[in-house]
Amino acid sequence: DGGITQSPKYLFRKEGQNVTLSCEQNLNHDAMYWYRQDPGQGLRLIYYSQIVNDFQKGDIAEGYSVSREKKESFPLTVTSAQKNPTAFYLCASSLSGTTYEQYFGPGTRLTVT
Amino acid sequence: GENVEQHPSTLSVQEGDSAVIKCTYSDSASNYFPWYKQELGKRPQLIIDIRSNVGEKKDQRIAVTLNKTAKHFSLHITETQPEDSAVYFCAASMRSGGYNKLIFGAGTRLAVHP
Repeated sequence: DGGITQSPKYLFRKEGQNVTLSCEQNLNHDAMYWYRQDPGQGLRLIYYSQIVNDFQKGDIAEGYSVSREKKESFPLTVTSAQKNPTAFYLCASSLSGTTYEQYFGPGTRLTVT
Repeated sequence: GENVEQHPSTLSVQEGDSAVIKCTYSDSASNYFPWYKQELGKRPQLIIDIRSNVGEKKDQRIAVTLNKTAKHFSLHITETQPEDSAVYFCAASMRSGGYNKLIFGAGTRLAVHP
């Protein structure tokens, strides 16, 4: 299970505030991903990064931003432009962008009121 | 866009019975199909996967079958136990800009009753 960590586990914010979710991995994986999970729905891809200093929008990138300054870290910022930010956010990594197996972090549950 | 449909959304079985979850995918180029198990409040865990050059794969009580012609694949759990209760997600690979992504189904909540 280890190797990918997300913090914090629970996060509460007021509407209109930006918030940054942390994702760190020590697996020496090149590729990292951010997913959003809502009740009764599957995982939806927000952003992904294949290498340092490069990232691509996923299917629901609006209202989110990311950076990839280090191989080990891929923080996600939920901006005030995200209409419905309350969700469970999962970070994942894979050996490279051309391999398939993805391994998930424990997730951060964000509640915005 | 490409999508993965998963059925049923909920499944209730008695301990010892078998459980089957089915997924269909739309991208004929998909060639990797993992299954994840997610317990309440926990991270998804990869439990089994199959590649397109194989029709079936088994790991103890869990098996996955793939029909590429029909573009569907299934998860089979035999001799179910209460600890099998969880949400199960299927996924299919998709190529985008030279890199691989996974498209997930909506999940199946499996309840195994003692």
